[in-house]
Amino acid sequence: DAGITQSPRHKVTETGTPVTLRCHQTENHRYMYWYRQDPGHGLRLIHYSYGVKDTDKGEVSDGYSVSRSKTEDFLLTLESATSSQTSVYFCAISEMGDRVPDTQYFGPGTRLTVL
Amino acid sequence: GQNIDQPTEMTATEGAIVQINCTYQTSGFNGLFWYQQHAGEAPTFLSYNVLDGLEEKGRFSSFLSRSKGYSYLLLKELQMKDSASYLCAVNHNQGGKLIFGQGTELSVKP
Repeated sequence: DAGITQSPRHKVTETGTPVTLRCHQTENHRYMYWYRQDPGHGLRLIHYSYGVKDTDKGEVSDGYSVSRSKTEDFLLTLESATSSQTSVYFCAISEMGDRVPDTQYFGPGTRLTVL
Repeated sequence: GQNIDQPTEMTATEGAIVQINCTYQTSGFNGLFWYQQHAGEAPTFLSYNVLDGLEEKGRFSSFLSRSKGYSYLLLKELQMKDSASYLCAVNHNQGGKLIFGQGTELSVKP
């Protein structure tokens, strides 16, 4: 299994508070991704990173920001959490040049509840 | 636009064979992935197709037809532990970004 951890694994917060989720990898993979998973929508890409300090938006990026100052860490921040951001958040990593390029390996997920 | 369709739910019997279909319409194509996701867990990689044809891996096989925008995942000798959600995802550009379908919830019954 790919070495990916996410913290916290569960979080309950209140509307309007800032929240930061952390993804940490030990695989030295170049690409990292943040998804959210909601019933009826499947996995949707929030932001992704193709290297240190190189990030770009996904399809549902509004209300989220990211940072990657080290290869191993990718942070997702909700500047002011809203109830619509209640979801399960997954981090994923991938590396070009794998036997199956672009295969994404997922972390265990963070369940976030915004009251 | 980008669209990936798969059935929402399927039910099958232990020991049987089940086929989960996926159709896609995307602006580009660089491969199709199948993932398995048990309830409350992370998705795990099952298979990858980039050329037309069948890829077999033990009890699981995956088929791709690029001209038809169609793939299926075939599960043989079903076991109770195969009860899970199966996600179809398309890599639609060189950047490695995946577009996921909503997933098919498979229930295997005795």
